Amino acid sequence: NAGVTQTPKFRILKIGQSMTLQCTQDMNHNYMYWYRQDPGMGLKLIYYSVGAGITDKGEVPNGYNVSRSTTEDFPLRLELAAPSQTSVYFCASSYVGSGEKLFFGSGTQLSVL
Amino acid sequence: QQPVQSPQAVILREGEDAVINCSSSKALYSVHWYRQKHGEAPVFLMILLKGGEQKGHEKISASFNEKKQQSSLYLTASQLSYSGTYFCGTETRKNTGNQFYFGTGTSLTVIP
Repeated sequence: NAGVTQTPKFRILKIGQSMTLQCTQDMNHNYMYWYRQDPGMGLKLIYYSVGAGITDKGEVPNGYNVSRSTTEDFPLRLELAAPSQTSVYFCASSYVGSGEKLFFGSGTQLSVL
Repeated sequence: QQPVQSPQAVILREGEDAVINCSSSKALYSVHWYRQKHGEAPVFLMILLKGGEQKGHEKISASFNEKKQQSSLYLTASQLSYSGTYFCGTETRKNTGNQFYFGTGTSLTVIP
């Protein structure tokens, strides 16, 4: 049972490049989330999804896009990367979405130079 | 949207107690507490689902005041392993689903 798997673990991008952060869970969770965590700061919600085909914005969605075509996968797309997007990105999932704990992936360290 | 935690940082000696507070401006359906060690993902500690409900986890417990939209985490007889950053997580409902926001964080350092 792998849980929540994020790839890649590390990535360096040049300004203006694009990339997709992958997130897969094998627990049949309906809720999935993307957070970013800047150094020494808390986690900020970027986007979340309540199920396949349904996504919504969180606190800091600008510069990102998501899709949820299957229950298992919730990729995060960065278009035209900027230095302000340098951060650690965490994907998380939970069942039902109420009163259930979040399961986290191990994170992706992204640097935009 | 982001819950506010206090204090921002605290240093304890082994065996001392601490309280971390979490306050939200929105109605809450649940409050979670997580601990994060440097370079790692947050680790779940506990969930509180009802107002006034108190949960315990070894020497770590928490309370949830639904009316005041506040929660507190109590750490008693702290151990070195308690060091890390503590986050509350709050669940609020929106018509598109439940949103889950993390607090601003409290850095806890336990020294011998």
